[in-house]
Amino acid sequence: KAGVTQTPRYLIKTRGQQVTLSCSPISGHRSVSWYQQTPGQGLQFLFEYFSETQRNKGNFPGRFSGRQFSNSRSEMNVSTLELGDSALYLCASRTEGRQQWEQFFGPGTRLTVL
Amino acid sequence: QQPVQSPQAVILREGEDAVINCSSSKALYSVHWYRQKHGEAPVFLMILLKGGEQKGHEKISASFNEKKQQSSLYLTASQLSYSGTYFCGLKGSSNTGKLIFGQGTTLQVKP
Repeated sequence: KAGVTQTPRYLIKTRGQQVTLSCSPISGHRSVSWYQQTPGQGLQFLFEYFSETQRNKGNFPGRFSGRQFSNSRSEMNVSTLELGDSALYLCASRTEGRQQWEQFFGPGTRLTVL
Repeated sequence: QQPVQSPQAVILREGEDAVINCSSSKALYSVHWYRQKHGEAPVFLMILLKGGEQKGHEKISASFNEKKQQSSLYLTASQLSYSGTYFCGLKGSSNTGKLIFGQGTTLQVKP
């Protein structure tokens, strides 16, 4: 079974630009969560999507948004990039069945904002 | 709201034991433990549910003290492959993928 895939793996942007990151969950997983990882703040929850609906949202400004498509693939968008948005963005998928406690993380997208 | 992990870092020799603690000030539904190796994605180790149920993949043991809202991860007879950063993640309810992670504990196992 293929794992969670994220594209692109690396991205360099400048302040003020916007960026879209993509996540393809494990086949059959309908729940996708996004996390931001930085050395200073650690792993912070951004949002969770299930069946194309946002189910939970973390404490991030409105510049961070996401969506999920009918095939469970998810995208997150960051508008008006700031230097502090430089981070590793991880998505994780999980099933809603018997093994629903385990989240499978993708390799992440490393975003650098200059 | 973020759980507090201790210690922040630990260095071991192969075969030695270690304990990593995770404390929360809020009532929990479950505690999840993940390990992340440098440059890789976090990998699920174990979940401890309210009521005592545990589920995991590896030969790693853990405990969950509901009264104290504290979980401990026990790494016994450590191997080089145990090196990495260990995170505890907390869930407040069952039907959510939202995990609130601690700052992490860096474990280095030396030969």
